[in-house]
Amino acid sequence: GAVVSQHPSWVICKSGTSVKIECRSLDFQATTMFWYRQFPKQSLMLMATSNEGSKATYEQGVEKDKFLINHASLTLSTLTVTSAHPEDSSFYICSAISGSGIGETQYFGPGTRLLVL
Amino acid sequence: AQKITQTQPGMFVQEKEAVTLDCTYDTSDPSYGLFWYKQPSSGEMIFLIYQGSYDQQNATEGRYSLNFQKARKSANLVISASQLGDSAMYFCAMREDSNYQLIWGAGTKLIIKP
Repeated sequence: GAVVSQHPSWVICKSGTSVKIECRSLDFQATTMFWYRQFPKQSLMLMATSNEGSKATYEQGVEKDKFLINHASLTLSTLTVTSAHPEDSSFYICSAISGSGIGETQYFGPGTRLLVL
Repeated sequence: AQKITQTQPGMFVQEKEAVTLDCTYDTSDPSYGLFWYKQPSSGEMIFLIYQGSYDQQNATEGRYSLNFQKARKSANLVISASQLGDSAMYFCAMREDSNYQLIWGAGTKLIIKP
């Protein structure tokens, strides 16, 4: 199956700092990557969709200046949480697909747990 | 209206028993896909099985099978011979032809008892 890596797995940072999370597709080219946020005991909440070489599409209510997404290549997308605050503490998980067909499976990275002190 | 409904917040099942996790969906698209994912406590989302709306047969993957009842708009996941390692959150998701994003259910927490 397709493999997606995510780095780092855990981040603890001070309030006001920026945190960058990397999402890589290791054995396929990802035309589209998705960034999700998940609160405890809840389902995934889509934050944004990114396509290689173009600006990310953000979901309603997600601040694009707060959560910067860069999809620089077909195998790498990054999410930067700028000026992080305690309310940004969450589990962030990315996924990637290689095509646009109805049955195209989203493969997920292992996720990043962010704790802002 | 909820597009994906998982009515079971949690389930306890005895090891080696079969378990059915419910999922109903709502869409007006004639073409759509249904997915099941498993999320263990580690957090990773593991793809389990896929069913396309035009697929004639129910999907199967090892111990996982999907009981697809199109008229009822249900896509229940069946796990046969459950194992302790099956304990996890299980999410049902749908992709409509008109939108490549996944729509997620609230999830079901499955606990397998020894």
